Amino acid sequence: AQSVTQPDIHITVSEGASLELRCNYSYGATPYLFWYVQSPGQGLQLLLKYFSGDTLVQGIKGFEAEFKRSQSSFNLRKPSVHWSDAAEYFCAVGAHNTNAGKSTFGDGTTLTVKP
Amino acid sequence: GAVVSQHPSWVICKSGTSVKIECRSLDFQATTMFWYRQFPKQSLMLMATSNEGSKATYEQGVEKDKFLINHASLTLSTLTVTSAHPEDSSFYICSARGGVINTEAFFGQGTRLTVV
Repeated sequence: AQSVTQPDIHITVSEGASLELRCNYSYGATPYLFWYVQSPGQGLQLLLKYFSGDTLVQGIKGFEAEFKRSQSSFNLRKPSVHWSDAAEYFCAVGAHNTNAGKSTFGDGTTLTVKP
Repeated sequence: GAVVSQHPSWVICKSGTSVKIECRSLDFQATTMFWYRQFPKQSLMLMATSNEGSKATYEQGVEKDKFLINHASLTLSTLTVTSAHPEDSSFYICSARGGVINTEAFFGQGTRLTVV
């Protein structure tokens, strides 16, 4: 069964500082991996995704993530955080083939940005 | 492309009544749709998977008689919460897969249900 672990429930960073949100997954094959952001009361916005190929993935809003098979990780990074990045971040693993589109989410990481 | 729309965005209903949530794929044919539930400050949990023209497959612990899912067309799936109670208050999100891009699903904006 597929699963996702986001070890950090809450992270606080200062505006302008760098950010790394951790994500570890469990999946039987090469996974489809996603990062989403959710503002309070809002739906999900896709930041980036990994299916195959280059293990460093660029996304929207200046985010990037690196797939490391040996560590079963897909950590999200941003070099300089803006106050508007404060939100909930979810890592997800997606199934393949007949179950494609079926996603398992981590518990989320709440990002607080200090001025 | 790949736009999924949910309606309504929020709804308040009285305890004991039923409420229907629609999930539409606007620019592609969704062969499969997924319904998730998110309680406050929690993650998204898959409730069920529906394939067009077939009965939905429910995840363990989800009451199929309470959460009725219909996927009668390639662009519309509905979730009906029957005899709603305050504990059913939650954020319900659908996603849809199909068309040219068949490796991932695209999410609707979610529906906030409050049962009073």
